[in-house]
Amino acid sequence: DIQMTQSPSSLSASVGDRVTITCRASQSISSYLNWYQHKPGKAPKLLIYVASSLQSGVPSRFSGSGSGTDFTLTISSLQPEDFATYYCQQSYSAPYTFGQGTKLEIK
Amino acid sequence: QVQLVESGGGVVQPGRSLRLSCVASGFTFSSYTMHWVRQAPGKGLEWVALLSYDGSNKYNADSVKGRFTISRDSSHNTLYLQMNSLRTEDTAVYYCARDPSGYPLFDYWGQGTLVTVSS
Repeated sequence: DIQMTQSPSSLSASVGDRVTITCRASQSISSYLNWYQHKPGKAPKLLIYVASSLQSGVPSRFSGSGSGTDFTLTISSLQPEDFATYYCQQSYSAPYTFGQGTKLEIK
Repeated sequence: QVQLVESGGGVVQPGRSLRLSCVASGFTFSSYTMHWVRQAPGKGLEWVALLSYDGSNKYNADSVKGRFTISRDSSHNTLYLQMNSLRTEDTAVYYCARDPSGYPLFDYWGQGTLVTVSS
């Protein structure tokens, strides 16, 4: 199975900050990497697919980059509604594993 | 608009069975691959199973292989997860999710249904 490792596991930041979350795969997954936002009690939300494509309706302050084994999710200017847990997920091969999550909290 | 509504969760004893349902609306259900994803209490997301749009391809995570079966009834726009021989470690919120591409990725999710396996 492909292991996905996110860093950091948690992060405190302020509204307006630029934030970067990293996801590393245990083997090359090309660009088969997606990012989700999850708030407690809500359905997860797709943000980025194929490493860098912005899902329709997602604000442009979210961006993704990377290929091979190393990927990043960047939020250019944090908004109050962005405080949530973020997960990466690989689509390269089954089982389609997720990272352990990065909890983004208000400083 | 796209909606996915799960049901069928509850409290069940270890070794027993449960069937989850996910009713889809707002899109042509028969054209999409569908998935189940779960989240154990305090843990991250775990992909469980997928079923292709026409039912020809299905895959399960090793953790549920031989115990869980994914199926669909396109005449009723419903996805199912039959869970047998339940274990305490199956306790989780179970989400159904739509896959727009077969890539796979999950562009719409339901709100989830909680399954608690406990004696």
